[in-house]
Amino acid sequence: DTGVSQNPRHKITKRGQNVTFRCDPISEHNRLYWYRQTLGQGPEFLTYFQNEAQLEKSRLLSDRFSAERPKGSFSTLEIQRTEQGDSAMYLCASSPGGTSGAVRDTQYFGPGTRLTVL
Amino acid sequence: GEDVEQSLFLSVREGDSSVINCTYTDSSSTYLYWYKQEPGAGLQLLTYIFSNMDMKQDQRLTVLLNKKDKHLSLRIADTQTGDSAIYFCAERPDTDKLIFGTGTRLQVFP
Repeated sequence: DTGVSQNPRHKITKRGQNVTFRCDPISEHNRLYWYRQTLGQGPEFLTYFQNEAQLEKSRLLSDRFSAERPKGSFSTLEIQRTEQGDSAMYLCASSPGGTSGAVRDTQYFGPGTRLTVL
Repeated sequence: GEDVEQSLFLSVREGDSSVINCTYTDSSSTYLYWYKQEPGAGLQLLTYIFSNMDMKQDQRLTVLLNKKDKHLSLRIADTQTGDSAIYFCAERPDTDKLIFGTGTRLQVFP
């Protein structure tokens, strides 16, 4: 399967702990996106990368959140000192990039990591 | 501001057509998307439409776009129980992020 993969699929942690999620995009996709989805809501944009460069960060991404994509392939999202309000599904997506509009911009999503903070 | 609105629920009988509606706010959006989400799963891309098109058909799916009213709809013909899910529309304004609606829960009953 060459789709977007995310690990772990589920994470339960205690308030105050740090957690890290990983996303592996579709091979050769040079754009990678992180979204957060809370219960009953649509996904909300957090940040995105073009290769290894982080090009945009949402105001939702507080100082406790950091994302990296060191070699332009997989990405990690770390949350420090987790709070109960961080409980959500964290979704990763990738898109090809390039010069052709529709193909370039279409985002394909992974299965998500569900975080529960106790 | 950025705001995409959808009705929350739709219930249809198996075999009937479903129409899911969406309104968006950013007239600069170049593409508009429909995604499907089943319980506990990620988002599956269903289809998209370019902003200079009025209609796009893909098998059982028909997308209609009224750019003047900023209204997008997804019609599913011959709706099946496997179509039961949450459907999200999303706009892509000038930036590269997607702005999603709150989703429409489609329930198909026999």
